[in-house]
Amino acid sequence: KAGVTQTPRYLIKTRGQQVTLSCSPISGHRSVSWYQQTPGQGLQFLFEYFSETQRNKGNFPGRFSGRQFSNSRSEMNVSTLELGDSALYLCASSFGTGGNTIYFGEGSWLTVV
Amino acid sequence: GESVGLHLPTLSVQEGDNSIINCAYSNSASDYFIWYKQESGKGPQFIIDIRSNMDKRQGQRVTVLLNKTVKHLSLQIAATQPGDSAVYFCAETPSSNTGNQFYFGTGTSLTVIP
Repeated sequence: KAGVTQTPRYLIKTRGQQVTLSCSPISGHRSVSWYQQTPGQGLQFLFEYFSETQRNKGNFPGRFSGRQFSNSRSEMNVSTLELGDSALYLCASSFGTGGNTIYFGEGSWLTVV
Repeated sequence: GESVGLHLPTLSVQEGDNSIINCAYSNSASDYFIWYKQESGKGPQFIIDIRSNMDKRQGQRVTVLLNKTVKHLSLQIAATQPGDSAVYFCAETPSSNTGNQFYFGTGTSLTVIP
């Protein structure tokens, strides 16, 4: 079956703009998590959604937000982009929440100029 | 906060040799651990996992060992192949966490020398 699908794969934005990234989880998976990966900070947890509810949130400013739809697809939004937001944004899905295996998509490469 | 570290940032091995990648964690409440492989330009790929009620788990050419006493995790790759060249991450989540929030190590870059 299809894996986690993220769109777009690559994008370039200007400081101050906003961006929306999309994630379609593995069929049957109800949990979607988002991570930011940078060379300096590594993989850092942004938030997790399960059944359209945010379960956990990492230590990121309020400019980072997300949501989940009834079909489990998820979007994350970053407003007022800063240069430091340049990163690989990874979506991971799992069947359930709470100690479940998470499977990653290929990520969305965001460059802020 | 959580601290998940790796002993070595880089590792080079000869093709055919065995590789051992180590990881230390600080939270004694951690009860689920996963190893991921990330190739350049791709997302992390699940390799193998282990729960805290086990000490060892084997997969195809890979073995994960868990030592809860010293809070140490290792990934052993048998007969390492060029296709194993990648960055390897350990990830952990504590039982107190009600969701799926994982904490990741900084990664070890494995280079296989033909």
